[in-house]
Order: sequence, then structure tokens, then C-alpha cells
Amino acid sequence: DTAVSQTPKYLVTQMGNDKSIKCEQNLGHDTMYWYKQDSKKFLKIMFSYNNKELIINETVPNRFSPKSPDKAHLNLHINSLELGDSAVYFCASSQVQSSYGYTFGSGTRLTVV
Amino acid sequence: SQQGEEDPQALSIQEGENATMNCSYKTSINNLQWYRQNSGRGLVHLILIRSNEREKHSGRLRVTLDTSKKSSSLLITASRAADTASYFCATDARSGDMRFGAGTRLTVKP
Repeated sequence: DTAVSQTPKYLVTQMGNDKSIKCEQNLGHDTMYWYKQDSKKFLKIMFSYNNKELIINETVPNRFSPKSPDKAHLNLHINSLELGDSAVYFCASSQVQSSYGYTFGSGTRLTVV
Repeated sequence: SQQGEEDPQALSIQEGENATMNCSYKTSINNLQWYRQNSGRGLVHLILIRSNEREKHSGRLRVTLDTSKKSSSLLITASRAADTASYFCATDARSGDMRFGAGTRLTVKP
């Protein structure tokens, strides 16, 4: 069983489109995250959700919106896609005070053309 | 903003040699974590060291933490070709999430 699964794995879309990336975790973790990894491998936190409450919102354009229907899911919706949005997006989850760190999904490679 | 910064950016060694990667950070932390990322895959958690710990071992991995210098090191002993990957350190930010550096790209030649 995949602990943190995100779909799709690859997403190619045109500028201006709206797209969503889905993420699900079956670990019973209480916090989920979205990270963006650019071409230089920098990982930047975008959002995190704890018990359906947004607790982090970095300087991310409001075209990006996280949606969490329940504790096991945190989807990422992106409006009006731009070329600069091209990156690999990772979903992760964790349990507060755990020694086991974050569990990451395998990533979604988004290419905006 | 990024918190951890790994050094070197890239490291190439022969199988059987030891690999040492360093991480520096800027603000006080509760814990520091190391992760591995294979090409095209997600990050995998390797080890967590708390701010009151100085050294931790896990198999062939040895992590040290010096809070006075705000630095950590990851040592991989007797490296294998399968250790080829990027290695990231991450520190907990005040907001509670983990902040990552750009990683060290390790290549182990067979």
C-alpha cells in the first residue's frame, strides 16, 4: 500500500488553464503539506493543513489553493497556470512529535507550455 | 525562505569510500532531519536528531549536530552504488513545518 499517493504523476497543460493535483495519505497522520521543487532542487513549503485548518501559507500566489475534504486528503488547485509554475510538486504528511519525519509522495511533474 | 544549506553541492566517490555531507542553518531548532531523494522520486526520511542530541547512528549512517555552530553532518560509511542520490537536511521552522536546503548530489561510482 502506498502511504502517500498523489495523482497525476505527470501533467502537461497550456498557460491559462486550471488544474488540480490530488493527494491522499493512509498513515493516519494529522498534518499534510504541499512542497514545490524547482529545477535547482530547492524545496519550498507552500501549504500545510492540520485537522482541516490551514496553518501555513507562504508567499504563494492566490492562484494556488489547497482543498482538504478530510484529514486524509489535501488537494492542490491551480488557476490560470503560468510558465513559471512548471516544477515538481510534492505532497507530504507527518504526525506531530513523531521521530519519523515526513512521508513524501512521489511527486507530480507539472509542465506548463 | 530556505533554512538548511548543504555543502558540498555535489560529491563523487568510489564505492567503499565514506561520504560526508554538511548542513548549516541559521536559526535555533528543535530538530534536524536528513532525507534522501533518488532521481525522479520523492524524499525519503533517513534520520532525525533532536537539538539536545549530539550524535545519532542508523546502520551505515552517522549524523552529528553542533547547535553552537548551527551545523550538522551526515556520514555514509562504506558507500554503495545504490547510495547515489541527493541528500537534504531539513530544520523545523517557527511555523512548525520543515524547511529544506538545495541538497548534496552524491554519486557513488562502482
